[in-house]
Amino acid sequence: DAGVIQSPRHEVTEMGQEVTLRCKPISGHDYLFWYRQTMMRGLELLIYFNNNVPIDDSGMPEDRFSAKMPNASFSTLKIQPSEPRDSAVYFCATLVQDYGYTFGSGTRLTVV
Amino acid sequence: EDQVTQSPEALRLQEGESSSLNCSYTVSGLRGLFWYRQDPGKGPEFLFTLYSAGEEKEKERLKATLTKKESFLHITAPKPEDSATYLCAVQGDYGQNFVFGPGTRLSVLP
Repeated sequence: DAGVIQSPRHEVTEMGQEVTLRCKPISGHDYLFWYRQTMMRGLELLIYFNNNVPIDDSGMPEDRFSAKMPNASFSTLKIQPSEPRDSAVYFCATLVQDYGYTFGSGTRLTVV
Repeated sequence: EDQVTQSPEALRLQEGESSSLNCSYTVSGLRGLFWYRQDPGKGPEFLFTLYSAGEEKEKERLKATLTKKESFLHITAPKPEDSATYLCAVQGDYGQNFVFGPGTRLSVLP
C-alpha cells in the first residue's frame, strides 16, 4: 500500500484565493483526520470522518474552512477565502486501532 | 480539557550520550498514549503505543515507559540518525481523536 497520499505537497497562493487540499487514505481504514501543524500551536485537529461521515468538526477554525469525504478513497479540505494566518502544514491521517495514526506527507500552504 | 506537555523543548546530545524525554498528560480516561517521530518535511511516524501504568515498550535504542501522569522516552546511546522531533499524543475514552504535545526537538551530534 502506498500509504496516505496528499496533494499538492506545496501550495503558494494569494490572500483571498480558494485553496483545495486533497487526501487519498489507505484503503479499508474507516477513520480519516485532517490536522494542521504550526510552530506556535503544534498539531491541531480540524475535523475527522468515520465511514465518510463527519464526526467532529469542532476544530475547524472558521466558516472559511470546509471538508468533504465523498467516498472512502478521497477527501478534500477547502479554504475560501484564504488568509495569511492559514499558512501551515496540513496533514491527513488514517487510524489503525492500537497503531495510532498513519500520516500523509502533508501539504505546506503559504498564503501571501 | 485534555492536555499534553513535553520537555525539554529542545535537546542536544553527543553521539552515545543517553537521555530521556518527558511527556506529561491529563486526560479523562486514557485509552492510549502514543509516541511519534517526525523528520523535517514529513508526517509523524508511529513509534509506540502504551495503555496502562507500568507498561514499557522497546525498539532499537528507544524505550517508552508510562505512569499515571507521564511517559518517558529513553534514548540509549543515540546516533545522529535519531535526530528528529519526538511527539507524544493521548487518546481519551471519548472519541478517536488524539491530543498532541508540542514535541521535543532532538539533535544528536557526531
